[in-house]
Amino acid sequence: EAGVAQSPRYKIIEKRQSVAFWCNPISGHATLYWYQQILGQGPKLLIQFQNNGVVDDSQLPKDRFSAERLKGVDSTLKIQPAKLEDSAVYLCASSLEPDYEQYFGPGTRLTVT
Amino acid sequence: TQLLEQSPQFLSIQEGENLTVYCNSSSVFSSLQWYRQEPGEGPVLLVTVVTGGEVKKLKRLTFQFGDARKDSSLHITAAQTGDTGLYLCAGYTGGGNKLTFGTGTQLKVEL
Repeated sequence: EAGVAQSPRYKIIEKRQSVAFWCNPISGHATLYWYQQILGQGPKLLIQFQNNGVVDDSQLPKDRFSAERLKGVDSTLKIQPAKLEDSAVYLCASSLEPDYEQYFGPGTRLTVT
Repeated sequence: TQLLEQSPQFLSIQEGENLTVYCNSSSVFSSLQWYRQEPGEGPVLLVTVVTGGEVKKLKRLTFQFGDARKDSSLHITAAQTGDTGLYLCAGYTGGGNKLTFGTGTQLKVEL
């Protein structure tokens, strides 16, 4: 069974530029999550989707971050404009349903200079 | 926001030594999970504990959930270099389906 796919793996941008990350979850998984992980810390949930609807986006900085999962399968996370403090690994995870085991992708390492 | 504090934050030991990582909170969790994350990869689930006082073993790893379901520990016996990684606890609070991660413990096991 294929795992969670993410691209790109690495991205370097200058502050105030825009960036987008893509995630393809495990086939059949209804729930998709985006996490932000600062180096050496635990992941922090940014947004959770159930199919194509948003379940929780309470920790998403909505003035600069946006995410969508239009067809209830793959998802994109966008940052516009980026700040230095956005440098982190952005992890995508999926699960069959909420509360089921989450499977994580390899992440996208973003560096903002 | 429920906070899960892990200790120690960093741990560097020799192969063959034993170690314990702690995960503490003031909140009660309906279940608690432990993950290991290696560089360049996402976290991988090791175990889920649900019942207060529960102990689970996974080869050389022993996981315990506190009686009050507010804390947990991970004990590794005879550590190996392959145990190196970032260990994360994560918990679900009752009635919610949001997973809150701990602050992380970076373990390095050297020959």
